[in-house]
Amino acid sequence: QSVLTQPPSVSAAPGQKVTISCSGSGSNIGKNYVSWYQQLPGTAPKLLIYDNNKRPSGIPDRFSGSKSGTSATLGITGLQTGDEADYYCGTWDSSLSAAVFGGGTKVTVL
Amino acid sequence: QVQLVESGGGVVQPGRSLGLSCAASGFTFSTHAMHWVRQAPGKGLEWVAVISYDGSKNYYADSVKGRFSISRDNSKNTLYLQMSSLRADDTAVYHCARDVSPSYYYYIDVWGKGTTVTVSS
Repeated sequence: QSVLTQPPSVSAAPGQKVTISCSGSGSNIGKNYVSWYQQLPGTAPKLLIYDNNKRPSGIPDRFSGSKSGTSATLGITGLQTGDEADYYCGTWDSSLSAAVFGGGTKVTVL
Repeated sequence: QVQLVESGGGVVQPGRSLGLSCAASGFTFSTHAMHWVRQAPGKGLEWVAVISYDGSKNYYADSVKGRFSISRDNSKNTLYLQMSSLRADDTAVYHCARDVSPSYYYYIDVWGKGTTVTVSS
């Protein structure tokens, strides 16, 4: 069981929008920044969002992040077939003194 | 360019030990905390351990505490993971990853492709 909870899967048609939730607690999301990672099939994870809502250079503005209380959300607009991947949220848990990831969400473009 | 290349994976019997290495290049290794993150077949990411830029601080996941040891040699730009008392559920791809912070955690911005560890008799 992951410390951070994500839905196992989400799907939408090309061009549509999906949101992925990441639920935690006061000792992790409630206290620390959240980052998001994209893992395309057969590849290493890639940083998508850091500091809850900032995008590294090269990440399109179709990807956005937000945080409220002990939950965070990743949004993907203008969905493309190339967005089909697993997405993970991550942060530090101050009580566990450990980095924690969500269980991952598979995005399917219908 | 920034690169992390893991090595040392293989097939090992339960209860035995194995050491992994991660060669870093393209950045100042000694100014970044470094992580090991693993992914079991068909499963999600599981954080394993982190070590601060100078090796003075390290933290471990409960699942590996007391069995795994993370270390680094800044003169060789290399990160290590020594694994002992290996179990079947340690079977995974082990990724080396760079943290933006020198301390222990802020966020991971660079990942290696990983090396595969299979624990089986």
